[in-house]
This record gives sequence, structure tokens and C-alpha cells, in this order.
Amino acid sequence: KNEVEQSPQNLTAQEGEFITINCSYSVGISALHWLQQHPGGGIVSLFMLSSGKKKHGRLIATINIQEKHSSLHITASHPRDSAVYICAVTGNYQLIWGAGTKLIIKP
Amino acid sequence: ETGVTQSPTHLIKTRGQQVTLRCSSQSGHNTVSWYQQALGQGPQFIFQYYREEENGRGNFPPRFSGLQFPNYSSELNVNALELDDSALYLCASSLLGQNTGELFFGEGSRLTVL
Repeated sequence: KNEVEQSPQNLTAQEGEFITINCSYSVGISALHWLQQHPGGGIVSLFMLSSGKKKHGRLIATINIQEKHSSLHITASHPRDSAVYICAVTGNYQLIWGAGTKLIIKP
Repeated sequence: ETGVTQSPTHLIKTRGQQVTLRCSSQSGHNTVSWYQQALGQGPQFIFQYYREEENGRGNFPPRFSGLQFPNYSSELNVNALELDDSALYLCASSLLGQNTGELFFGEGSRLTVL
């Protein structure tokens, strides 16, 4: 069992839909990161969370430390949101990465 | 625009050669970490440097080595290249390390080993 599990692996939705991507982890962490990777490789940090909830534009990230679970939500999804979304947790000195969720938003 | 730049963006090498990849960190960041991402896979942690010292390493052989300079820019060196070293190499800078700081990634250097 991987230390960081994401679901779903792939998600296709229509423009405007509300999107939820889930992340569960099994290790003790000091922080959880949500990252976005577009085709071609560049990775952008969306959120770093250690508790509670954060919001940036149409993106919302929540974390429940007791349940070891985090969610990334996208409201009013748009085709430009199409990307791979990665959950990663920091334990000791390194990031432990989830496998990523490939999101496709159709016009 | 993250302020982290990597060079070169693409390069092709042959087996047995050596390669140096470079990363200029976000201004003020004292920590840089390097990752290898094979096609279709998630990134794998190579190592992390904090104030010019390696302070963490993943499961990579010694032919993967690095340097961090006083201006906090960094190099990743790979000796005796193997075909499986073909991957996207990403660097990320942060302040104080991955446990406490937001990460800023470069666009990556795509290495092809023939």
C-alpha cells in the first residue's frame, strides 16, 4: 500500500462542474502539498496545508489531520484546469508523492 | 512564473557520458531539492541541499551528486549515464526546507540518454 493514495486516478468532466480530488496518507506529516503539473512538465504549488482549509480563487483545499485525509476542490471548472493534480506530504526531509490525478475538463 | 529557472531545458546524451543540470533558486530561498520524473511516473526524490550541505537523499546511487553554491543556485551531476536515467529532472526551492516552506518548481530539464 502506498503511503499517499489519490483518487480518482483519472477524471473527465464538463466545463462548469464541481471537481473533487481526494488524498489519503498513512504516515505522520508536517505538511501536505497540492501541486499542479501541466503537459510538458512544469509543476506549480497550489497549496501547502498543515490544518484546516485554504482557498485561492476557484480552488479550495481542506485537510483533516485526525482522518489523514485531504481534498482539493475546483469550483466552476474550466478547460484550462486540465492538468495532473498531485498530492504530496512532507515527512522528515523529503516529499512523499501521490500518483496524481489526471483531470480533463471538456468545453 | 516561479522565479526558479533550470537549464538546459532539453538535452541528449549517450550511455556512459556525464551530465550537469543547473537550477537557479527563488531569491532568498536557502533550500533546493532535486527530483527525477520518468515518463508516466510521479517524481522521485533525489536529494536536498540546505545552505550548501546535502541534508537528505533518496534511493539514488552515488553517481548522482550535487552542489549548492553560496548564492543558493544548485547543480545536479550524473556520471556514467544509463538509458534509465532518461527522465525529466525537476528542482524545487524553498525557504527552510520542504517541511516548513512552500515549494517553487522550475520547468525541468528533459534528459534523453541514447
